[in-house]
Amino acid sequence: DIQMTQTPSTLSASVGDRVTITCRASQSISSWLAWYQQKPGKAPKLLIYKASTLESGVPSRFRGSGSGTEFTLTISSLQPDDFATYYCQKYNTYSGTFGQGTKVEIK
Amino acid sequence: EVQLVESGGGLVQPGGSLRLSCAASGFTVSSNFMTWVRQAPGKGLEWVSVIYSGDSTYYADSVEGRFTISRDNSKNTLYLQMNSLRVEDTAVYYCARYSGNHGFDYWGQGTLVTVSS
Repeated sequence: DIQMTQTPSTLSASVGDRVTITCRASQSISSWLAWYQQKPGKAPKLLIYKASTLESGVPSRFRGSGSGTEFTLTISSLQPDDFATYYCQKYNTYSGTFGQGTKVEIK
Repeated sequence: EVQLVESGGGLVQPGGSLRLSCAASGFTVSSNFMTWVRQAPGKGLEWVSVIYSGDSTYYADSVEGRFTISRDNSKNTLYLQMNSLRVEDTAVYYCARYSGNHGFDYWGQGTLVTVSS
């Protein structure tokens, strides 16, 4: 099975900071990668699919990049609403494995 | 408007069974891939199962042989039959629409399953 590894597990940042989260796949997944945001007590929300396509309604400060085995989620200028946990996920196969998550905390 | 509403969670003893339901509106379950994802308390997301539009089904190794995903097209509802439940199956269970290339684009609010004696 393909494993997904996210780094870091926790990230402390301030409003306005540029934030980058990395997700690595144990083998190539082409561009079949999605990013989700989850706030406490809420369902995950799709942010980006196919590695770099922004879901409708998601602010343009979120950007996804990468292909193959290495991917990044970048938030260009962190906003108060962005403090949450972020998950990467490989999909479009017979399973939908998630990374372990990255919690973005207020510094 | 697309909406997914889960129900059927609750407290069950180890070895017991439970069936979760996910009522969909705003789209038809039969013509979409549908999936279940769970989240143990304080933990990350774990993919559980998927059903494709052709009725092919797949499961995580952790639930294979114990859980069954299905749907009732007349009720526009997705199900997850969970048998031989274990303490480690305790989690919030979410259903989601899996829009192929688009990822898991709509999610329900989740239903809590607690397995405990």
